[in-house]
Amino acid sequence: DAGVIQSPRHEVTEMGQEVTLRCKPISGHDYLFWYRQTMMRGLELLIYFNNNVPIDDSGMPEDRFSAKMPNASFSTLKIQPSEPRDSAVYFCASMTGGKNQPQHFGDGTRLSIL
Amino acid sequence: GQSLEQPSEVTAVEGAIVQINCTYQTSGFYGLSWYQQHDGGAPTFLSYNALDGLEETGRFSSFLSRSDSYGYLLLQELQMKDSASYFCAVRSPDSNYQLIWGAGTKLIIKP
Repeated sequence: DAGVIQSPRHEVTEMGQEVTLRCKPISGHDYLFWYRQTMMRGLELLIYFNNNVPIDDSGMPEDRFSAKMPNASFSTLKIQPSEPRDSAVYFCASMTGGKNQPQHFGDGTRLSIL
Repeated sequence: GQSLEQPSEVTAVEGAIVQINCTYQTSGFYGLSWYQQHDGGAPTFLSYNALDGLEETGRFSSFLSRSDSYGYLLLQELQMKDSASYFCAVRSPDSNYQLIWGAGTKLIIKP
């Protein structure tokens, strides 16, 4: 089975540029999560979706960040304009409903903003 | 509020046994999960405890005591490949599917 697929794996861009991160969840999973991981702040939940609908975006740091899930097999996280403090590893995870179900993570996008 | 505490770093010797502790404070409790993350990799699910007691999966076991708000991950017959960070997580009382994460424990294994 294909796991969660994220692209790109690495992104290096200059401050002020728009960044778009992509995620394809595991087929049949109806929950999708976007996380950010840094040494200082650990693993932070940014937003999560259920059946393509955003449920909780309270972790989105500011309005420079936006996320969409136009269909069950695709989601994007966009940063516009990007800033050096946005440099981090961004993970997408998906899961099926059910209290015992684990979250399955993609390999992440390592983002560097210069 | 919700919080989890785990040691930042643990060191052990190859072939030995190590225990990584996790204490939590939550307004509700729906189970304790453990994830492993190698450097440069993604978190991967290890185990889940909803009820008190020990769950065993090969060399790894996870224990939960709900009355003590405490759990641990036990790794036996340590191998060098077990060097990684280990995260405990609990389900948010506001949402059964959102996880609240500990800061992670870096396990260093020496030959």
